[in-house]
Amino acid sequence: AQSVTQPDIHITVSEGASLELRCNYSYGATPYLFWYVQSPGQGLQLLLKYFSGDTLVQGIKGFEAEFKRSQSSFNLRKPSVHWSDAAEYFCAVAPWNNNDMRFGAGTRLTVKP
Amino acid sequence: DGGITQSPKYLFRKEGQNVTLSCEQNLNHDAMYWYRQDPGQGLRLIYYSQIVNDFQKGDIAEGYSVSREKKESFPLTVTSAQKNPTAFYLCASERGQEAFFGQGTRLTVV
Repeated sequence: AQSVTQPDIHITVSEGASLELRCNYSYGATPYLFWYVQSPGQGLQLLLKYFSGDTLVQGIKGFEAEFKRSQSSFNLRKPSVHWSDAAEYFCAVAPWNNNDMRFGAGTRLTVKP
Repeated sequence: DGGITQSPKYLFRKEGQNVTLSCEQNLNHDAMYWYRQDPGQGLRLIYYSQIVNDFQKGDIAEGYSVSREKKESFPLTVTSAQKNPTAFYLCASERGQEAFFGQGTRLTVV
C-alpha cells in the first residue's frame, strides 16, 4: 500500500534562513506528488504539485520542490523563510489512475524572529 | 467565488447524539472527500465519492455515514457509534488529481 512519510514533526528556523522539509513516499509507481500548507484552524492550500517532466517544481509563495525518483523523495524548499510561513505543511501522493490521495502526518514549522 | 463551503465552523455534540457536517461546492467537481485530522496524524480518509449517488469507504469509515444526492453536496454524519469523534473534519473536492479544501469543521463532544 502507498504511504507518505514526513520524518520531521516540528522544525524551527530563523527568519531569513533557508528551509527544507522532507517527504518520502512508498509506492509501486511514480505517483502524483503534492505539498499543501495549513494555517491553524484552516483548510489546506496547495503549494505545488508534480505530475511529470521537470523534476524541480516551482510553487506559490516562493516555494519549490524537487522530485528524486531514486530516493522516492519530494522535498520542499525555500531559500529565505518569512515569519508568515509559520504553518503546518503536508506532503501528499495520489496514484495516476485513481483518486486515492494519501497525506503525510505533517511538519509544523516555527519561524524565530 | 468558486470553492468549498463547510458549515458550521465549530460544532458541539453530546455523547450519544448523531450530528451532520455540511459540505457544499460550486466548482462542478465530480469527486468529493471527507478527511479527519487529529494532531500528529495528518489527514485520514473517511469517505469519498466520485459521482452522484455513489460513495466508498475510506480508511476510517466506522461510525460515519455519507450521502451524495447532488453533485454540489456531500454531507457527513457522525453517528453515536463513532467512539472518539472529537476532531477537525475537512471536506475536499478534486479535479485532475488536485484537491481543493474547505475551511474545516471542528467537532467537540461534550
